[in-house]
Amino acid sequence: AQSVSQHNHHVILSEAASLELGCNYSYGGTVNLFWYVQYPGQHLQLLLKYFSGDPLVKGIKGFEAEFIKSKFSFNLRKPSVQWSDTAEYFCAVTLNTGFQKLVFGTGTRLLVSP
Amino acid sequence: NAGVTQTPKFQVLKTGQSMTLQCAQDMNHNSMYWYRQDPGMGLRLIYYSASEGTTDKGEVPNGYNVSRLNKREFSLRLESAAPSQTSVYFCASSEAGDNYNEQFFGPGTRLTVL
Repeated sequence: AQSVSQHNHHVILSEAASLELGCNYSYGGTVNLFWYVQYPGQHLQLLLKYFSGDPLVKGIKGFEAEFIKSKFSFNLRKPSVQWSDTAEYFCAVTLNTGFQKLVFGTGTRLLVSP
Repeated sequence: NAGVTQTPKFQVLKTGQSMTLQCAQDMNHNSMYWYRQDPGMGLRLIYYSASEGTTDKGEVPNGYNVSRLNKREFSLRLESAAPSQTSVYFCASSEAGDNYNEQFFGPGTRLTVL
């Protein structure tokens, strides 16, 4: 069965620090990849997604992610975080075929201190 | 547009009680989903509805039933609540169930079963 691993459960950074959150999935076929964010007290919203093409995808609010097929990874990056980036981040995977059933990672809680 | 709405926002039940969580979307989406979110486990799919008139089990369907009342509404029912069902429940919708569509999430229902 598909699974998604996010090894960093809690990350604490100071403003202006660089961010990289890890995401690895276990599936040998073609997948579509997503990063969702949940700000405190709010619902999940899409940060970015990868379906095909350029493995470096850019999302909202300055976030980007790189798909490395050989490593089964889709890490999320931001060069300089802000206090407003404090949130929980979820990586999710779905198969490229059939009905979309997202499989989510366990999430990473990011706290950015001012 | 309100997007995806859920009622109630909070609910406390006693073991054995029943209740229905309501979800509605105003985006004319075809597909709808119910997830539960538990600490350290991310989001897990309970049931989904690919289109009006169809429902299917997800990863963790036991103890739940769903009804796709019409294109807008998708309800989740707990017939006999158990403490293991204490969780935050999210409803989501997407334009279609293929893998290129973003899922839009509601604000969640926080359920406690005593």
